[in-house]
Amino acid sequence: DADVTQTPRNRITKTGKRIMLECSQTKGHDRMYWYRQDPGLGLQLIYYSFDVKDINKGEISDGYSVSRQAQAKFSLSLESAIPNQTALYFCATSDDRDRGTDTQYFGPGTRLTVL
Amino acid sequence: ELKVEQNPLFLSMQEGKNYTIYCNYSTTSDRLYWYRQDPGKSLESLFVLLSNGAVKQEGRLMASLDTKARLSTLHITAAVHDLSATYFCAVDMDIGTYKYIFGTGTRLKVLA
Repeated sequence: DADVTQTPRNRITKTGKRIMLECSQTKGHDRMYWYRQDPGLGLQLIYYSFDVKDINKGEISDGYSVSRQAQAKFSLSLESAIPNQTALYFCATSDDRDRGTDTQYFGPGTRLTVL
Repeated sequence: ELKVEQNPLFLSMQEGKNYTIYCNYSTTSDRLYWYRQDPGKSLESLFVLLSNGAVKQEGRLMASLDTKARLSTLHITAAVHDLSATYFCAVDMDIGTYKYIFGTGTRLKVLA
């Protein structure tokens, strides 16, 4: 089984709808991240969390919110989706205790289309 | 503004040739990561460079880090088709922040 899973893998929704993307990990890592990738571009950090009680905004947090329900679960919500939020969303986890490198492990991604 | 710039953005090369991808960054980070992304797939870690002068090698890929120049290189030796992918570098926004800025990626296509 994959260490970092995301659901759903694909989602098509309409403008104005609320949508939640979920991320779960079995690596036991403390740090979890949500990124957005637009075609031909790198990854932009939306939110990150270093533990259940520590949640921080990234570069592009406007229009998004998150919830860290447990060490293993980190959800991203779009309260009122808009077309320019159409993108590929990745969850990632990391931990310095994992080989001392804080390497990020990425989920498979969620492809979101907002019509 | 913090920036991570990669060049080239696109690279088409023949099998058997050598080439270098460059990653310049503007932060004071002392750790740099290289990731690979296959089309339609997620990112996987290639290298972690944690100090000035660090060099890591895996197969036909070798990465190095010069923190004084704020430059990392990913050198490809005798390219093969299987290396076709997009390569990203990423750096810590500042030492110890564990917030990462990614470069825009270098899309590599190795032609048979």
